[in-house]
Formats: sequence, structure tokens, C-alpha cells
Amino acid sequence: SQQGEEDPQALSIQEGENATMNCSYKTSINNLQWYRQNSGRGLVHLILIRSNEREKHSGRLRVTLDTSKKSSSLLITASRAADTASYFCATAPGPSYDKVIFGPGTSLSVIP
Amino acid sequence: DAGVIQSPRHEVTEMGQEVTLRCKPISGHDYLFWYRQTMMRGLELLIYFNNNVPIDDSGMPEDRFSAKMPNASFSTLKIQPSEPRDSAVYFCASTIVGGKGYTFGSGTRLTVV
Repeated sequence: SQQGEEDPQALSIQEGENATMNCSYKTSINNLQWYRQNSGRGLVHLILIRSNEREKHSGRLRVTLDTSKKSSSLLITASRAADTASYFCATAPGPSYDKVIFGPGTSLSVIP
Repeated sequence: DAGVIQSPRHEVTEMGQEVTLRCKPISGHDYLFWYRQTMMRGLELLIYFNNNVPIDDSGMPEDRFSAKMPNASFSTLKIQPSEPRDSAVYFCASTIVGGKGYTFGSGTRLTVV
């Protein structure tokens, strides 16, 4: 069963614009992770945010977490064509090394 | 480190045949996960191991699926007999206690005709 649900399912933006993807989940979590998957490739871990954190940054990525609303958002600033990929949130009821449940993903297209 | 290594990258087999997928995790990682990805069902956790011991196999769809981890550097996922509905991309991932996320392999694209 899927815990997280990303929104929107698909997003198309112009290069240089910001992209925002949202993730909602149903049960309590220990942490939430975001992954990127390029076409035909495996998933790549982007960032992890713990349940007691509200915001984290990594380069052009900004992740927020609102445990009261059971939601998270991933912001990619100044998008590039190379950011074209599917983005997945993964919720972890336990430690980050324990099993996580992936959402269905958001397909992002960045148009040059 | 070469990362998580999966083989083969592509597998085409006939219905009823046995299929074995292989995974070599990152050295030192003590958790190993098998996922299946399809358009309809997304990423599904099939089974995961900790220190070579299966911890949760509740995602294994049927008795036709089995997984082993004979040592810390090798795991297999076997489907016998295979069916067309098993067609999917199968991913292996590994991590370590205190790690901050999974490292995925490139996947095996399985087509059962």
C-alpha cells in the first residue's frame, strides 16, 4: 500500500522557473525522504527530513515538512533541463535504514 | 565504490520459465531491499534483509517469488514459474544503520512473454 501521495502527478515548466511538488501521507512518520529517478535509471536519494525538522536545504533543493498536516513539499529553484525526472517522496515509520514506502511520484519536465 | 550492482539489466523470458535476478549491495551496507516498479502499481517493496536475514517478506506477491541472501555481498530474487504479469523493473537497494537513504541499483527490466 502507498503511504505518500505526490501532487501534482505531472508538472511542466520553463527552464529557470521554480518547481514545487507536494507529498501527503496518512500515518505518523520518523522521517520523510525525497528521491529522483531519471528515465530508465534507478532512484537517487536527494534529501531526508526528520519528523522534528521543519525545513532543510541542499543546493537548489528546499524541503519542508508539516507533521500537523501530514505533508511535505519539495522546491527546486532555478530549474534546469537536467532536472527533468520523476520525483518520489518516501515515508519512513521507523529509522531511515528501515523500510520506507514510496508514493506514485511527480513527473517533472523542464523545457529549455 | 561501484554502487549497487544488479544483473542482468534486461531479461526477456517465456512464460513458465525460471528467472533469477541478482544484486550486489554496497560493501558494508547491512540492509538490502528488493522493489518492483510498474506503471500501474508504482514502487512496491517485495522483501528486505538485515544482516542477511529476511525481515519482512509481506510484499512478496506469491509463492512463485523467493529471495535469498547467502552472504553480505549477494542476493537473488527468483521467480518460478514466471508469468506475463511479472513484467516490471526490479530494483535492489541497500543502506546502512545511521544512513540517510537508500542507494539503488540500475534495475533489471524483466519482460515475460
